[in-house]
Amino acid sequence: EVQLVESGGGLVKPGGSLRLSCVVSEFTFNKAWMSWVRQAPGKGLEWVGRIKSKADGGTTDYAAPVKGRFTISRDDSKNTLYLQLNSLETEDTAMYYCTTVGIDILTGHNYFDHWGQGTLVTVSS
Amino acid sequence: QPVLTQSSSASASLGSSVKLTCTLSSGHSRYIIAWHQQQPGKAPRFLMKLEDSGGYNKGSGISDRFSGSSSGPDRYLTISNLQFEDEADYYCETWDSDTNWVFGGGTKLTVL
Repeated sequence: EVQLVESGGGLVKPGGSLRLSCVVSEFTFNKAWMSWVRQAPGKGLEWVGRIKSKADGGTTDYAAPVKGRFTISRDDSKNTLYLQLNSLETEDTAMYYCTTVGIDILTGHNYFDHWGQGTLVTVSS
Repeated sequence: QPVLTQSSSASASLGSSVKLTCTLSSGHSRYIIAWHQQQPGKAPRFLMKLEDSGGYNKGSGISDRFSGSSSGPDRYLTISNLQFEDEADYYCETWDSDTNWVFGGGTKLTVL
């Protein structure tokens, strides 16, 4: 069974930084496209960013609210996905989930097909 | 950019069936969507990928009580023989190569 385990969340002051990790097991990580999704307390789900596999270029893409502040990276030797959060704002307070990205063979459509349990980031002075 | 619209809440009785709706915005009626379930205090879980044809592919271990269907811009999630464990928030999401992912606002399902 595919497992995604996030870590690295915590309390940080506005303007601070944090790095989240997501270890993936029972999955061909090096071929996977991966993503981060967040959920503010009592709110809905919001896509944060995505990284392609290295074979597909390893490129990243980000949602507008985090572009220029957050960076996604991966270490395929460790089956680990990272999310570097810089210049944090109170609005970034949320549970952060890593996900695998499923790709429909016929259409190329992307969707989230496995989720981690999440790690909580709280930005407060 | 596609927009997904969901009712904020729904309720149904134990043992009955319920049909949740996710509506795609104009011009996006043929988009594939995915349904996710989020039980209280837990992470989301992928339920299924649902095409405009009504064909769907469920995630590993998802009960036969969950099924999907489509009509025009509407994507449906039907849960039969409702159980208390089905009480959860249900989110639809879709993807676009230009704008990436969007989520619906979620439907909170109460089992009476």
